[in-house]
Amino acid sequence: DARVTQTPRHKVTEMGQEVTMRCQPILGHNTVFWYRQTMMQGLELLAYFRNRAPLDDSGMPKDRFSAEMPDATLATLKIQPSEPRDSAVYFCASGPGTGGNQPQHFGDGTRLSIL
Amino acid sequence: AQSVTQPDIHITVSEGASLELRCNYSYGATPYLFWYVQSPGQGLQLLLKYFSGDTLVQGIKGFEAEFKRSQSSFNLRKPSVHWSDAAEYFCAVGAYNNDMRFGAGTRLTVKP
Repeated sequence: DARVTQTPRHKVTEMGQEVTMRCQPILGHNTVFWYRQTMMQGLELLAYFRNRAPLDDSGMPKDRFSAEMPDATLATLKIQPSEPRDSAVYFCASGPGTGGNQPQHFGDGTRLSIL
Repeated sequence: AQSVTQPDIHITVSEGASLELRCNYSYGATPYLFWYVQSPGQGLQLLLKYFSGDTLVQGIKGFEAEFKRSQSSFNLRKPSVHWSDAAEYFCAVGAYNNDMRFGAGTRLTVKP
């Protein structure tokens, strides 16, 4: 059964360090989403890509977050420098089609703790 | 842009009882509607989806949902809840050529 793979599953680091989270979307899916989940804010859309091109990153703090798709099999989300308020679970999801009209398949997330 | 509201933050039901989780959406055109379930430590898993046609859709794990355009609702139901159904449930609304918006989620607790 095809799955979205996220690495690492857990990350603990100190404030100010760079954090890189990786996602391998399901082969053939051309839309990739990054979400952040916290108790206070729930599930927030940070950015999404279609055919590797960024379509919307309005949910992402631009000064410290960046998202890229170097190739069709890898999406990355970077935080530099990291801050304690970035502590959350970050999910990647992928889907076929043009986005909102198709189900998204989620990875198991990266649980990030910034000390 | 589309939006979705889940009025109930937390619901508790007894095992074997019926369940209905509420979802209301806002969108000017025909929405694409989804229900997802999230177990602790895992990502969201698709339960069912509605695109068009029959307004009562069946999903996995014995869940169903009914689309009511007049009420802008897409409530999730299950006739008899099992302890393993305890999880967080998310309703989502999508639009063609656009992203998907998720509700805040409803946490389901199942009493023995």
